[in-house]
Amino acid sequence: AQSVTQLGSHVSVSEGALVLLRCNYSSSVPPYLFWYVQYPNQGLQLLLKYTSAATLVKGINGFEAEFKKSETSFHLTKPSAHMSDAAEYFCAVSPNSGYSTLTFGKGTMLLVSP
Amino acid sequence: KAGVTQTPRYLIKTRGQQVTLSCSPISGHRSVSWYQQTPGQGLQFLFEYFSETQRNKGNFPGRFSGRQFSNSRSEMNVSTLELGDSALYLCASSVGQGPYTEAFFGQGTRLTVV
Repeated sequence: AQSVTQLGSHVSVSEGALVLLRCNYSSSVPPYLFWYVQYPNQGLQLLLKYTSAATLVKGINGFEAEFKKSETSFHLTKPSAHMSDAAEYFCAVSPNSGYSTLTFGKGTMLLVSP
Repeated sequence: KAGVTQTPRYLIKTRGQQVTLSCSPISGHRSVSWYQQTPGQGLQFLFEYFSETQRNKGNFPGRFSGRQFSNSRSEMNVSTLELGDSALYLCASSVGQGPYTEAFFGQGTRLTVV
C-alpha cells in the first residue's frame, strides 16, 4: 500500500525565511504526488502535483517541490515566507494507474512570525 | 465558475441519529470523492463515485454510505451516529477518474455528534 510521511507536525519560520516542508513516500512504483494547503475552516487547495513530466514542479504562490526517486522524497519549498502562508500543508500520493484515491500525510502546520 | 458546494456547512446531531451530507461538484465533473478529516486520524478516504457508480471504498464501517445522482451530485449518509463520527467531511470533484486529474475540494461539512 502507498503512504506518505510528513516530518514535523509544526514548522515555524520568520517572515522572509526559507520554507521547507518534508514529505517522504512509500510506493513500489513512482506514484503521483501532490501538495495541498488548508486554511482554517476551509477545504483543500492544490499547490502543485508531480505526474512524472518533470522532477522540479512549480506551483502556486511561489511554492515548488522536487521529486527525488533515490530519496523517495517530495519536499515543498518556498524561498521567502509570507504571513499569508501560515496554514496546514498536506502531502498526498495517488497510484499512477487505476483509481484517483488520494492518501494523505498527517499534515504540517506552518507558523510564520513577523 | 462555481466551485464544489457542500451543504450544510455545520451540523450538530445526537448519538444514534443519522445524517445526510450533500455535495454539488463543479459543472462538468463526473467524479466525486469523500474524505473524513479528524485531528487524530487526519484525512481518510471514504468512497469515490464516477457516473453514479461507486468505484472505490475506504476502510469504514457499513454505517457510512453514499450515492451519486445522474447530475453528478452526491450524498453521503451516516447512520447510527457515534461520538467518533464528529469530523470535517470533505467532498472533492474531478473531471475524470484517473489519478492524474486534479481534485477540487469543497469547504466541507463540520459534523458534531453529541
